[in-house]
Amino acid sequence: GAGVSQTPSNKVTEKGKYVELRCDPISGHTALYWYRQSLGQGPEFLIYFQGTGAADDSGLPNDRFFAVRPEGSVSTLKIQRTERGDSAVYLCASSSTGDRERTGELFFGEGSRLTVL
Amino acid sequence: QKEVEQDPGPLSVPEGAIVSLNCTYSNSAFQYFMWYRQYSRKGPELLMYTYSSGNKEDGRFTAQVDKSSKYISLFIRDSQPSDSATYLCAMSLIMGRRALTFGSGTRLQVQP
Repeated sequence: GAGVSQTPSNKVTEKGKYVELRCDPISGHTALYWYRQSLGQGPEFLIYFQGTGAADDSGLPNDRFFAVRPEGSVSTLKIQRTERGDSAVYLCASSSTGDRERTGELFFGEGSRLTVL
Repeated sequence: QKEVEQDPGPLSVPEGAIVSLNCTYSNSAFQYFMWYRQYSRKGPELLMYTYSSGNKEDGRFTAQVDKSSKYISLFIRDSQPSDSATYLCAMSLIMGRRALTFGSGTRLQVQP
């Protein structure tokens, strides 16, 4: 596709449920990032993939959060036992390697808005 | 205290005004400085990128970095209603391998 695609765009769930959020990055982009954006805040880093491996997962808040990228393209963010505090917009971004990466240009999707009741 | 501080606004200006948006930061190791624009219910998009201290101009936009003061600015000349959005500053130690640290964003409204 032309841009980063995220599904679902909106997800309402109940406290304690399991949630999966999907990100389809720009074709050919090897770097993929997940961020979380709460209302009135800037994006907060969660995890960064380079290819299939998680190069930096230091932003994951606790072990309820997990992300995979098994084939180096699509990524899934998984949240277990959701809590009301998990409510936020989850943004995915991708970038290519090489010179473009030096500009800091991350291409963001429109986000998945998660509401935990 | 947050690593990056940004006034949340909202900032309301008339069309044609010069807009000044600012961020301060605490980590002197930041080397790369960016401004992203985010429209409502959309993802952020990169506006400007600067490495280390100095100025950079791109059309109506000028980015300034003062590392000695740990202060960055974005100026928008001849502001347009289409500039109405949230502006996020972001910075990084190393490009590509580490995450960007974002400010909380300043909401700008340009009145026609």
